[in-house]
Amino acid sequence: QKEVEQNSGPLSVPEGAIASLNCTYSDRGSQSFFWYRQYSGKSPELIMFIYSNGDKEDGRFTAQLNKASQYVSLLIRDSQPSDSATYLCAVNANTDKLIFGTGTRLQVFP
Amino acid sequence: GAVVSQHPSWVICKSGTSVKIECRSLDFQATTMFWYRQFPKQSLMLMATSNEGSKATYEQGVEKDKFLINHASLTLSTLTVTSAHPEDSSFYICSARDSGTGQETQYFGPGTRLLVL
Repeated sequence: QKEVEQNSGPLSVPEGAIASLNCTYSDRGSQSFFWYRQYSGKSPELIMFIYSNGDKEDGRFTAQLNKASQYVSLLIRDSQPSDSATYLCAVNANTDKLIFGTGTRLQVFP
Repeated sequence: GAVVSQHPSWVICKSGTSVKIECRSLDFQATTMFWYRQFPKQSLMLMATSNEGSKATYEQGVEKDKFLINHASLTLSTLTVTSAHPEDSSFYICSARDSGTGQETQYFGPGTRLLVL
């Protein structure tokens, strides 16, 4: 059974802190990993993708991938109230489809 | 780049009518598009994979005769909800893959809210 698991949250962090969002996946054949942000009532928006083990940084966001542990995470530095949203982890395992987690709700409070 | 549009953004219809939703990739070609549905406070549910020039592939439990998908060009896929009923009221979102990059990244449209009375 191919699965992507995320803690539903909410994860509450103060403004300016680092938010750490985690995702595990079951299919060892997974090749591509994505993080999407979804504001309430809106469609998902791509934040980052990562294919190789290690870290990938883009502005305040860092994606981390560990294929041996089947684990991918997203770090958000200097969190802002505008980062409050649901973050979806998605995994592709050599098919057309992305397998989405159920998302983690992040709350950044002033 | 990688912009996907949907039309309409919201629609209200009477029970028993059909509703067509369009999904367009504006600045790239997409041989593959996807249709999702999302109920309030629930996660995305993939309904079907739309392939240009061929039949769509439906997920288990999704009625292909009720949710008609046509992907007639490299930039347009349509979803028609036939004989809509109140339980079909939902947020319908399409996504598209950029055929030119060979990557699996999906770019989402803004979604269509359907309310069936």
